[in-house]
Amino acid sequence: KAGVTQTPRYLIKTRGQQVTLSCSPISGHRSVSWYQQTPGQGLQFLFEYFSETQRNKGNFPGRFSGRQFSNSRSEMNVSTLELGDSALYLCASSSGGGDTQYFGPGTRLTVL
Amino acid sequence: DAKTTQPPSMDCAEGRAANLPCNHSTISGNEYVYWYRQIHSQGPQYIIHGLKNNETNEMASLIITEDRKSSTLILPHATLRDTAVYYCIVYPGNTPLVFGKGTRLSVIA
Repeated sequence: KAGVTQTPRYLIKTRGQQVTLSCSPISGHRSVSWYQQTPGQGLQFLFEYFSETQRNKGNFPGRFSGRQFSNSRSEMNVSTLELGDSALYLCASSSGGGDTQYFGPGTRLTVL
Repeated sequence: DAKTTQPPSMDCAEGRAANLPCNHSTISGNEYVYWYRQIHSQGPQYIIHGLKNNETNEMASLIITEDRKSSTLILPHATLRDTAVYYCIVYPGNTPLVFGKGTRLSVIA
């Protein structure tokens, strides 16, 4: 079974721009969670989508948003990028029944 | 905040067993103990999880104390490729994973 895939793997943007990251979960998984990892704050939860609905949300500003499609693929969007948004963005998928989350390789975003 | 306490770093000789401890004294009855590891700048990799009983899979063994207040992840024959940050997480399911700082394991040749 193929694992979680994320595209693109690397991205460079400038302040003020917006960016969209994509995540394809493991086949059959209906839950996708997004996390941000920075050296200073570690791994922090952004939000979770299950069956196209946001089920949980972390403590991030409204510039961070996401959505999930009917095929369970998910996208997250960050608008008006700031230097501090430079991070590794990770998505994880699970069946949604409270079981194991499996992570993708991440998207490394650099904001200049 | 993370509900677990782990040593910040450990060393292990290649070929020897690596024993990584984790304290979770406030764990609730319905919370599982999960272990993930993250090799430099890659996504966290699931290793193993357990509720009460000891568990073993092809990667590692998980020993949970009878009172469930602590656990140990055992890598039976550590290799250089096991060098990573190991995270112990208490997880009830259907909630976000809460990562602490983990233990940085260095396997030395």
